[in-house]
Amino acid sequence: QVQLVQSGAEVKKPGASVKVSCKASGYSFTTYYMHWVRQAPGQGLEWVGIINPDSGATDYTQKFQGRVTITRDTSTSTVYMEVSSLRSEDTAVYYCARDRFGGGDCDFWGQGTLVTVSS
Amino acid sequence: EIVLTQSPGTLSLSPGERATLSCRASQSVSSSYLAWYQQKPGQAPRLLIYGAASRATGIPDRFSGSGSGTDFTLTISRLEPEDSAVYYCEQYGSSPLTFGGGTKVEIK
Repeated sequence: QVQLVQSGAEVKKPGASVKVSCKASGYSFTTYYMHWVRQAPGQGLEWVGIINPDSGATDYTQKFQGRVTITRDTSTSTVYMEVSSLRSEDTAVYYCARDRFGGGDCDFWGQGTLVTVSS
Repeated sequence: EIVLTQSPGTLSLSPGERATLSCRASQSVSSSYLAWYQQKPGQAPRLLIYGAASRATGIPDRFSGSGSGTDFTLTISRLEPEDSAVYYCEQYGSSPLTFGGGTKVEIK
């Protein structure tokens, strides 16, 4: 069965970086794009970016351009999202989510990783 | 970017009643690339509807989606207690993908 398992919660100071992982299993890793979506406490969903695990090509929402990097390791079927220059406003649960069919809707989600930015 | 506005903010209904949730886009959503998700507290979102009207795998037929252009609707025909959740619409017709602010459905 399809599973996306994310790394554990992180606490970081403002200005630091964080790298969250998402290990996929139960399907052909390079066949499906992977998204990252975040959710601040008590707030709605916000799209961060996407990676094509086959080519490594990425796209990000402009808000995060230059601060977010999404990469993948095909040998371990793992996608990574790194956020640099963290601010308190980056405190959120970050989800990886598999793109259903190359369109942008997501049929499987990781369990979420809480990133807390606090001095 | 396309802004999605969901209404109402909260819907409070009894079991067996019909729920109608609205999602309005600031510009036309191409090819009806609109999805609906259900999110319960402490859980990841769950895909309900894609392509505006297609049910995702395993979704009960009491959930249905409709609409095109800028106006979309999620209907839950007969509410059950487990339908208590926040529902989000998402457009994926143009980058960046965007989500609506959500509608909370409460079961009385």
